[in-house]
Amino acid sequence: EVQLVESGGGLVQPGGSLRLSCAASGFTFSDYWMTWVRQAPGKGLEWVADINLNGRQKRYVDSVNGRFTISRDNAKNSVYLQMDSLRGEDTAVYYCFRGTLEAPGLDYRGQGALVTVSS
Amino acid sequence: TVVTQEPSLTVSPGGTVTLTCASSTGAVTSRNYANWFQQKPGQAPRTLIYSTSNKHSWTPARFSGSLLGGKAALTLSGVQPEDEAEYYCLLDCGPFWVFGGGTKLTVL
Repeated sequence: EVQLVESGGGLVQPGGSLRLSCAASGFTFSDYWMTWVRQAPGKGLEWVADINLNGRQKRYVDSVNGRFTISRDNAKNSVYLQMDSLRGEDTAVYYCFRGTLEAPGLDYRGQGALVTVSS
Repeated sequence: TVVTQEPSLTVSPGGTVTLTCASSTGAVTSRNYANWFQQKPGQAPRTLIYSTSNKHSWTPARFSGSLLGGKAALTLSGVQPEDEAEYYCLLDCGPFWVFGGGTKLTVL
């Protein structure tokens, strides 16, 4: 059974940092792209970042580029999102998604991790 | 890039409805690999369609994806009351992916 479990969310002050983790199980992690998607309270979905199989190709939405870093550890079956210089507008539930194998897309997702940026 | 969806649509139970997804940069093609998501109130989103028209194992047969008039489209045939939800499209716009603003589908 495919499972993705996010952790590391919480309350942080503006300008602070937080690291989200997403632990994967039930599939061969190193075969899949991984993606982070977020949703601010009462708002729509926003694609944040993704990472390729070996971690060398990374893409970011403009609003987080230079502040967030996506990474993965295939030995630990985990993907991470290091979030620095956090702002109020980064407050959201963050979901990790697995990429599809056959064609570009997303399939399984975690339960989400709430990040609140507030003083 | 801005991805645009209808803000809201209403459909009767048993009816058919098509939601669309447009790109500000031009016609949506198969290379935009459109994905569709469903989100019910208080729940996390779940994926329904990937790469324009491919269904996941959990996607009900009444959902289908296509390209229609330069847009990506999600068609629901034989709508059920439980299909009332917010629907989001996601397009590969080159350097990154972009979500549409969502369509609130009401089944009435």
